[in-house]
Amino acid sequence: DTGVSQNPRHKITKRGQNVTFRCDPISEHNRLYWYRQTLGQGPEFLTYFQNEAQLEKSRLLSDRFSAERPKGSFSTLEIQRTEQGDSAMYLCASSLRQRGYGYTFGSGTRLTVV
Amino acid sequence: QQPVQSPQAVILREGEDAVINCSSSKALYSVHWYRQKHGEAPVFLMILLKGGEQKGHDKISASFNEKKQQSSLYLTASQLSYSGTYFCGTEIDKTSYDKVIFGPGTSLSVIP
Repeated sequence: DTGVSQNPRHKITKRGQNVTFRCDPISEHNRLYWYRQTLGQGPEFLTYFQNEAQLEKSRLLSDRFSAERPKGSFSTLEIQRTEQGDSAMYLCASSLRQRGYGYTFGSGTRLTVV
Repeated sequence: QQPVQSPQAVILREGEDAVINCSSSKALYSVHWYRQKHGEAPVFLMILLKGGEQKGHDKISASFNEKKQQSSLYLTASQLSYSGTYFCGTEIDKTSYDKVIFGPGTSLSVIP
């Protein structure tokens, strides 16, 4: 068990470019979550998967954001036509769909849009 | 829908106690507590389920009052390692397991 792995750790991109982040959850976890965190705030929910099915996407999330979890293993989060307001830490977490089970977070991908 | 946390920040001397509160306007299925140190990912501390239970984790414990939709995190005899930001996260009472919505956090600083 190597924990939740996220790549890259840091990403600097120019406004208007597309970026993709990857998350590798703990292998036996069937739930995977994406959150966004800005300085001084709590993690903000973006979307989550159970196995390969995307169960919910935040209504606050722009159509520029899309996420996939092919075959219920790793997940990718893509942001198209990035804006400066997208600059944040993007956190991935995994868990078991089981009463009383908490989330294990990855170290995150810090995105800076210039 | 985001839970409310209080206080926003607290400074303690080593050995002092602290209480962090979390409240929601909606009926809750569970409350999670996490600690995040600067530049690191949030780390799971404990989860409290509907049923009004109380849990302990070393010198950190928590309670959950489902009728009041409130939870409190208790840190006793604080240590320097307790410093960080504490987040509560809530799951709305539903028939299926849902996602966690996090509060804004409480910054805790323990000084010698």
